[in-house]
Amino acid sequence: DGGITQSPKYLFRKEGQNVTLSCEQNLNHDAMYWYRQDPGQGLRLIYYSQIVNDFQKGDIAEGYSVSREKKESFPLTVTSAQKNPTAFYLCASNEGQGTYEQYFGPGTRLTVT
Amino acid sequence: QKEVEQNSGPLSVPEGAIASLNCTYSDRVSQSFFWYRQYSGKSPELIMSIYSNGDKEDGRFTAQLNKASQYVSLLIRDSQPSDSATYLCAVNSAGNMLTFGGGTRLMVKP
Repeated sequence: DGGITQSPKYLFRKEGQNVTLSCEQNLNHDAMYWYRQDPGQGLRLIYYSQIVNDFQKGDIAEGYSVSREKKESFPLTVTSAQKNPTAFYLCASNEGQGTYEQYFGPGTRLTVT
Repeated sequence: QKEVEQNSGPLSVPEGAIASLNCTYSDRVSQSFFWYRQYSGKSPELIMSIYSNGDKEDGRFTAQLNKASQYVSLLIRDSQPSDSATYLCAVNSAGNMLTFGGGTRLMVKP
């Protein structure tokens, strides 16, 4: 089964703790993306990676970090510096190389108290 | 700042009617346009893509693009309660990036 997986589905953390969200894809896609969605809002881009070992900041990168050591994996760390981390986090991928369709994983709902 | 604008709704239509969802965008060089459906609590699902002016039909869905007016729409014929969801418009921007609108919530009433 080809697709994008995110884990865990729900995550609860105390304020001040770093937390890492997993995103894995077996679609052989070059590009991967992390978005944040707040209730009733659209998607805001956090980080993206067009190729292994390279990534760029999106519109709201402050308080987040990523790595792209493998083509299949693009984990997102929400650090204690992120002021309002409670949100729905979505990972997406696409083939890259001039294509634009993005396909999403099921998402991780993070709650920080 | 490239923008994609959608009416947040909710748009309420009776079962069997045509639902019309609209989206405007600001970047004149955009060439690729997408509609995603997002059920409550779920992730977005790509349902339509359109690249050239005119209409593109896929089952009960029709996407319409007018680049001169910077306008893209999604028509859903014979709307069903299962079509009730938020519909996100997305437009390509620099690189392989997409800019998303805020979404329109559609409610189809039995």
